Amino acid sequence: QVQLVESGGGAVQPGTSLRLSCTASGFALTSYPMHWVRQAPGGGLDWVSFISYNGNNKYYADSVQGRFTISRDNSENMLFLQMNSLRPDDTAIYYCARVNGGAIWNLDLWGSGTLVTVSS
Amino acid sequence: DVQMTQSPSSLSASLGDRLTISCRASQSISRYLNWYQQKAGSAPKLLICAASILQSGVPSRFSGRGSGTDFSLTINSLQPEDFATYYCQQSYSVPYTFGQGTKVEIK
Repeated sequence: QVQLVESGGGAVQPGTSLRLSCTASGFALTSYPMHWVRQAPGGGLDWVSFISYNGNNKYYADSVQGRFTISRDNSENMLFLQMNSLRPDDTAIYYCARVNGGAIWNLDLWGSGTLVTVSS
Repeated sequence: DVQMTQSPSSLSASLGDRLTISCRASQSISRYLNWYQQKAGSAPKLLICAASILQSGVPSRFSGRGSGTDFSLTINSLQPEDFATYYCQQSYSVPYTFGQGTKVEIK
Protein backbone atom coordinates (compact mmCIF):
# COMPACT_ATOMS: atom_id res chain seq x y z
CA GLN A 1 0.00 0.00 0.00
CA VAL A 2 1.35 3.38 -1.00
CA GLN A 3 1.44 5.55 2.10
CA LEU A 4 3.35 7.94 4.31
CA VAL A 5 3.38 7.57 8.09
CA GLU A 6 4.69 10.26 10.42
CA SER A 7 5.97 9.64 13.92
CA GLY A 8 7.91 11.36 16.68
CA GLY A 9 5.41 13.95 17.79
CA GLY A 10 4.58 14.63 21.41
CA ALA A 11 4.27 17.19 24.18
CA VAL A 12 7.45 19.12 24.94
CA GLN A 13 8.50 22.26 26.76
CA PRO A 14 9.57 25.47 25.01
CA GLY A 15 13.23 25.54 24.07
CA THR A 16 13.53 21.79 23.67
CA SER A 17 14.00 19.63 20.57
CA LEU A 18 12.06 16.98 18.73
CA ARG A 19 12.79 14.86 15.68
CA LEU A 20 9.93 13.88 13.41
CA SER A 21 10.13 10.95 11.03
CA CYS A 22 8.13 10.10 7.94
CA THR A 23 8.28 6.55 6.63
CA ALA A 24 7.29 5.81 3.07
CA SER A 25 5.93 2.46 2.01
CA GLY A 26 4.76 1.08 -1.31
CA PHE A 27 7.05 3.34 -3.33
CA ALA A 28 10.70 4.43 -3.46
CA LEU A 29 11.13 7.71 -1.62
CA THR A 30 14.33 8.38 -3.55
CA SER A 31 12.33 9.32 -6.64
CA TYR A 32 10.42 12.15 -4.98
CA PRO A 33 11.07 15.56 -3.52
CA MET A 34 9.26 15.97 -0.20
CA HIS A 35 7.67 18.65 1.95
CA TRP A 36 6.68 19.18 5.55
CA VAL A 37 3.45 21.12 6.10
CA ARG A 38 1.92 21.94 9.48
CA GLN A 39 -1.49 22.91 10.77
CA ALA A 40 -2.04 24.64 14.09
CA PRO A 41 -5.16 23.61 16.05
CA GLY A 42 -8.16 25.09 14.27
CA GLY A 43 -5.89 26.77 11.75
CA GLY A 44 -4.98 26.53 8.10
CA LEU A 45 -2.17 24.80 6.28
CA ASP A 46 1.29 26.28 6.74
CA TRP A 47 4.19 25.25 4.52
CA VAL A 48 7.32 24.42 6.57
CA SER A 49 10.10 22.93 4.47
CA PHE A 50 11.13 21.25 1.20
CA ILE A 51 13.90 18.84 0.26
CA SER A 52 14.89 17.71 -3.22
CA TYR A 53 14.94 14.02 -4.12
CA ASN A 54 18.67 13.73 -3.46
CA GLY A 55 18.78 16.10 -0.48
CA ASN A 56 20.93 18.69 -2.25
CA ASN A 57 18.34 21.45 -2.13
CA LYS A 58 16.48 22.47 1.00
CA TYR A 59 14.14 25.38 1.71
CA TYR A 60 12.49 26.60 4.88
CA ALA A 61 9.73 28.96 5.94
CA ASP A 62 11.08 32.10 7.62
CA SER A 63 9.35 31.09 10.84
CA VAL A 64 11.49 27.94 11.19
CA GLN A 65 14.68 28.96 9.38
CA GLY A 66 17.70 28.30 11.60
CA ARG A 67 15.71 26.13 14.04
CA PHE A 68 14.42 23.27 11.87
CA THR A 69 16.44 20.97 9.62
CA ILE A 70 14.97 18.72 6.96
CA SER A 71 16.83 15.59 5.88
CA ARG A 72 16.22 12.23 4.28
CA ASP A 73 17.61 8.70 4.20
CA ASN A 74 16.59 7.25 0.88
CA SER A 75 18.13 3.87 1.72
CA GLU A 76 15.66 3.62 4.62
CA ASN A 77 12.79 5.28 2.72
CA MET A 78 12.57 7.93 5.42
CA LEU A 79 12.23 11.70 5.75
CA PHE A 80 13.07 13.67 8.88
CA LEU A 81 12.45 17.04 10.48
CA GLN A 82 14.77 18.02 13.30
CA MET A 83 13.09 20.76 15.33
CA ASN A 84 15.19 22.73 17.81
CA SER A 85 14.39 25.67 20.07
CA LEU A 86 10.72 24.84 19.92
CA ARG A 87 8.22 27.60 20.67
CA PRO A 88 4.53 27.47 21.62
CA ASP A 89 3.60 28.71 18.14
CA ASP A 90 5.18 25.56 16.67
CA THR A 91 2.26 23.61 18.15
CA ALA A 92 0.60 21.88 15.22
CA ILE A 93 -0.07 18.67 13.37
CA TYR A 94 2.93 18.06 11.12
CA TYR A 95 2.33 16.36 7.79
CA CYS A 96 4.88 15.01 5.35
CA ALA A 97 3.81 15.14 1.72
CA ARG A 98 5.16 13.78 -1.54
CA VAL A 99 5.80 15.93 -4.59
CA ASN A 100 4.38 14.80 -7.88
CA GLY A 101 4.61 16.37 -11.29
CA GLY A 102 7.30 18.17 -13.18
CA ALA A 103 7.58 21.91 -13.48
CA ILE A 104 4.13 22.49 -12.00
CA TRP A 105 4.36 20.16 -9.04
CA ASN A 106 1.72 19.25 -6.50
CA LEU A 107 1.46 17.31 -3.24
CA ASP A 108 -0.27 14.12 -4.27
CA LEU A 109 0.28 11.95 -1.19
CA TRP A 110 0.06 13.04 2.45
CA GLY A 111 0.63 11.25 5.70
CA SER A 112 -1.97 11.35 8.47
CA GLY A 113 0.18 13.70 10.53
CA THR A 114 1.82 13.74 13.94
CA LEU A 115 0.88 16.19 16.67
CA VAL A 116 3.50 18.39 18.29
CA THR A 117 2.49 20.33 21.38
CA VAL A 118 4.88 22.91 22.83
CA SER A 119 3.81 24.16 26.21
CA SER A 120 5.22 24.85 29.64
CA ASP B 1 6.76 36.15 -0.77
CA VAL B 2 3.65 35.32 -2.78
CA GLN B 3 0.54 35.87 -0.67
CA MET B 4 -2.52 33.76 -1.45
CA THR B 5 -5.93 35.16 -0.57
CA GLN B 6 -9.02 33.01 -0.72
CA SER B 7 -12.60 34.21 -0.67
CA PRO B 8 -14.92 33.67 0.94
CA SER B 9 -13.41 32.28 4.15
CA SER B 10 -16.58 30.30 4.72
CA LEU B 11 -19.89 29.70 3.04
CA SER B 12 -23.13 27.83 3.62
CA ALA B 13 -24.63 25.91 0.76
CA SER B 14 -27.29 23.32 0.05
CA LEU B 15 -27.08 19.97 -1.65
CA GLY B 16 -27.18 20.44 -5.39
CA ASP B 17 -25.86 24.00 -5.29
CA ARG B 18 -23.13 25.26 -7.56
CA LEU B 19 -20.44 27.19 -5.76
CA THR B 20 -17.23 28.94 -6.64
CA ILE B 21 -14.22 29.64 -4.43
CA SER B 22 -11.72 32.29 -5.45
CA CYS B 23 -7.98 32.39 -4.88
CA ARG B 24 -5.88 35.43 -5.70
CA ALA B 25 -2.09 35.58 -5.76
CA SER B 26 -0.21 38.75 -4.83
CA GLN B 27 1.84 38.42 -8.01
CA SER B 28 1.61 36.39 -11.19
CA ILE B 29 2.18 32.68 -10.65
CA SER B 30 1.26 31.53 -14.16
CA ARG B 31 -0.60 28.24 -13.61
CA TYR B 32 1.44 27.11 -10.59
CA LEU B 33 -1.68 26.62 -8.50
CA ASN B 34 -3.06 23.55 -6.76
CA TRP B 35 -6.33 22.94 -4.88
CA TYR B 36 -6.71 20.63 -1.87
CA GLN B 37 -9.72 19.40 0.06
CA GLN B 38 -9.51 18.70 3.77
CA LYS B 39 -12.18 17.00 5.82
CA ALA B 40 -12.26 17.32 9.58
CA GLY B 41 -9.69 15.07 11.25
CA SER B 42 -8.08 14.03 7.98
CA ALA B 43 -5.07 14.99 5.91
CA PRO B 44 -5.51 17.22 2.86
CA LYS B 45 -6.28 15.58 -0.45
CA LEU B 46 -5.16 16.89 -3.83
CA LEU B 47 -8.09 17.81 -6.09
CA ILE B 48 -6.66 19.90 -8.91
CA CYS B 49 -3.13 20.67 -10.05
CA ALA B 50 -1.72 23.22 -12.47
CA ALA B 51 -4.87 25.35 -12.00
CA SER B 52 -7.21 23.10 -13.96
CA ILE B 53 -6.02 19.48 -14.13
CA LEU B 54 -8.35 17.19 -12.23
CA GLN B 55 -6.64 14.48 -10.22
CA SER B 56 -7.49 10.89 -11.06
CA GLY B 57 -10.51 9.74 -9.10
CA VAL B 58 -11.81 13.24 -8.37
CA PRO B 59 -15.43 13.67 -9.51
CA SER B 60 -15.98 15.73 -12.63
CA ARG B 61 -18.26 18.14 -10.72
CA PHE B 62 -15.02 19.75 -9.53
CA SER B 63 -13.27 22.13 -11.91
CA GLY B 64 -10.56 24.76 -11.73
CA ARG B 65 -9.62 27.68 -13.88
CA GLY B 66 -7.40 30.70 -13.99
CA SER B 67 -3.86 31.84 -14.59
CA GLY B 68 -1.65 34.71 -13.54
CA THR B 69 -3.13 36.04 -10.31
CA ASP B 70 -6.79 34.98 -10.34
CA PHE B 71 -7.99 31.42 -9.89
CA SER B 72 -11.22 29.67 -8.99
CA LEU B 73 -12.49 26.29 -7.90
CA THR B 74 -16.06 25.41 -8.86
CA ILE B 75 -18.15 22.58 -7.50
CA ASN B 76 -21.24 21.76 -9.54
CA SER B 77 -24.16 20.06 -7.79
CA LEU B 78 -22.77 19.94 -4.26
CA GLN B 79 -22.82 16.49 -2.68
CA PRO B 80 -22.78 15.54 1.03
CA GLU B 81 -19.14 14.42 0.81
CA ASP B 82 -18.08 17.86 -0.50
CA PHE B 83 -18.59 19.64 2.80
CA ALA B 84 -15.02 20.33 3.80
CA THR B 85 -12.35 23.03 3.81
CA TYR B 86 -10.63 23.88 0.54
CA TYR B 87 -7.15 25.35 0.18
CA CYS B 88 -5.25 26.76 -2.75
CA GLN B 89 -1.45 26.57 -2.82
CA GLN B 90 1.07 28.19 -5.12
CA SER B 91 4.03 26.11 -6.30
CA TYR B 92 5.69 29.00 -8.15
CA SER B 93 8.23 30.14 -5.60
CA VAL B 94 9.53 29.61 -2.07
CA PRO B 95 7.82 29.86 0.39
CA TYR B 96 5.13 27.65 -1.15
CA THR B 97 2.23 29.44 0.46
CA PHE B 98 -1.33 28.25 1.01
CA GLY B 99 -4.48 30.31 1.04
CA GLN B 100 -6.21 30.62 4.40
CA GLY B 101 -8.88 28.12 3.42
CA THR B 102 -12.59 28.19 2.58
CA LYS B 103 -14.89 26.17 4.79
CA VAL B 104 -17.97 24.85 3.01
CA GLU B 105 -20.81 24.13 5.43
CA ILE B 106 -24.30 22.77 5.09
CA LYS B 107 -27.05 25.39 4.98
